[in-house]
Formats: sequence, C-alpha cells, structure tokens
Amino acid sequence: NAGVTQTPKFQVLKTGQSMTLQCAQDMNHNSMYWYRQDPGMGLRLIYYSASEGTTDKGEVPNGYNVSRLNKREFSLRLESAAPSQTSVYFCASSSRTGNTEAFFGQGTRLTVV
Amino acid sequence: LAKTTQPISMDSYEGQEVNITCSHNNIATNDYITWYQQFPSQGPRFIIQGYKTKVTNEVASLFIPADRKSSTLSLPRVSLSDTAVYYCLVGVILTGGGNKLTFGTGTQLKVEL
Repeated sequence: NAGVTQTPKFQVLKTGQSMTLQCAQDMNHNSMYWYRQDPGMGLRLIYYSASEGTTDKGEVPNGYNVSRLNKREFSLRLESAAPSQTSVYFCASSSRTGNTEAFFGQGTRLTVV
Repeated sequence: LAKTTQPISMDSYEGQEVNITCSHNNIATNDYITWYQQFPSQGPRFIIQGYKTKVTNEVASLFIPADRKSSTLSLPRVSLSDTAVYYCLVGVILTGGGNKLTFGTGTQLKVEL
C-alpha cells in the first residue's frame, strides 16, 4: 500500500500564479486534511474533509480552496500564490471511527518568489 | 478546541527514559489525547492515543490522570534515532466522522550519546 501520496514533491511558483496540490490515499479513509508547516513551526490546519462530499475551513484557510474529488482524493488549490504561502504542505487522512491516528504524506515543498 | 502546552525542547542521553508532559486544561469530554512524532523533512507519525488512565504500545506509554487536564508521553530507553519533534494533540471527533486534529508547536527532543 502506498498510503498517502502527494504530488508534486517540490514546486516553485511566481507570485500570482496558480497551482493545485494533489493528494490521494488508498486506505479507504473517510477524512482527509491539508496542513502547512512553516520553518521551525508546528503544523497548521488549512482545510479538512470529514467525509466525502464535505469540506470545512481550518485555522488558516485564506488564499486556498479545496476539492474532495472522491473518497480517495483531496486537492488543494492556490488561486494566486503569494510569498507568504511559501511552506511545506502536508496531506493526511484518517478513518471514521473514534481513532485519532492520521497518516501523513511526504509533503510538498512550495516556494513562491 | 482545547489548547495544548508543552515544553519547547528537552535534552536526554541514550538509554534514559524521557517523559514529556502536555497540559490541556480545556479538554472536552469527547476529546482523545494523541501524540505524534516528526522527523525533519517528513510528515508526522502517530505514536499513541489515549482517553484516560494509561496506554502502552511497543514504542511508548501515555499516562493520563483522572482529571485529563494533562498527559505524559513516556519513551523508555531512548536512542539517537528518537531525536525528533513530539506533538501533543487533543482531537475532536467530528459529527459525521473524522477527527479535527490541531497541532501545537511541539517539543524538540534531542538525544545525545
């Protein structure tokens, strides 16, 4: 099993450009999440999807949009990238049951210049 | 959401037991307590989860007092490879499934010879 797969692993954008970060999980999990991690900081929740067909804002949703395409895939879109969005982005998934174990992808390192 | 407070950093030596305490005074009845480990350039990895009393698995123990306002992660006989950031989370089980996990800044554990 691949677990949680994120693409791309690295990306450089110019200010104002748009892009979509892709995430897919093969564990049949209901819930998926997008986090960002700035250097030396903890993870901050951007958006999450408790189940297929639902999405909700986390702590830092401004400047981002998400799509829960199906149960496997949860994408994060930056419509107009800004230098403040330079960060490492992690996607995660977890099961529906009363279990707080989440599985994380390897991350996407995004630089906006 | 319950806020967590944990030490910014801790130092230890190989073979010692390490105890990292986390404070979560506003924990709600339905909240679970979860600990994650993160190595540089990797996504966080689940270590252990508990609701009350003591939980033990192959890598750690989690001690939760009766009032659940704090918890202690215990790592027995640490090695250099345990050098990482450790996050204490208090998770909310969402209506409709999934868990909303909020990360704090974590504790940087450094293990030396």
